[in-house]
Amino acid sequence: SQLAEENPWALSVHEGESVTVNCSYKTSITALQWYRQKSGEGPAQLILIRSNEREKRNGRLRATLDTSSQSSSLSITATRCEDTAVYFCATFASSGSWQLIFGSGTQLTVMP
Amino acid sequence: EAAVTQSPRNKVAVTGGKVTLSCNQTNNHNNMYWYRQDTGHGLRLIHYSYGAGSTEKGDIPDGYKASRPSQENFSLILELATPSQTSVYFCASGPSVSQNTLYFGAGTRLSVL
Repeated sequence: SQLAEENPWALSVHEGESVTVNCSYKTSITALQWYRQKSGEGPAQLILIRSNEREKRNGRLRATLDTSSQSSSLSITATRCEDTAVYFCATFASSGSWQLIFGSGTQLTVMP
Repeated sequence: EAAVTQSPRNKVAVTGGKVTLSCNQTNNHNNMYWYRQDTGHGLRLIHYSYGAGSTEKGDIPDGYKASRPSQENFSLILELATPSQTSVYFCASGPSVSQNTLYFGAGTRLSVL
């Protein structure tokens, strides 16, 4: 069940540039999470943004949430080569569910 | 920092054989999860657990069993492995609070020949 979907499928930028990954979701949510997965590692959470929040920041990362359009974005400023990873948005299947459902991910490549 | 350890990290199995993937967490989290990851599909939930003795089906449970003998351990069992189960498997744990963060292991790469 694809409750959330990121776009674009892949992005390439040069170091220092800013980049934005978008996410659309299908269900009513109480929170949306962004994860990053580097090659050879498991996913790690970057930001959890709740439905009553419009924006949340974590260092160079900024997530937005628009519940009316059921969309979210993750922006990274001043990108670094080590930001190269797959970025996922994820939502719980329903408000009372423990099933965290991931999108297919966006592959971000940051070039020197 | 939450710690989730998977073993083995790599496994080659034969078609029809039994495979057990193990996961241990030291975070005292109630919830544990097994996902598989394939190119183009992201992470898909196979089974999850609310605590010792419980297992629940996720989105793609067919061909898999799970076992949660203790708070710390959660296993994924392939009784009759098939080549279509070749994938990377991730275990995760999380607290049983609303909208919790999941903490993932490093993954197990399984090849079924």
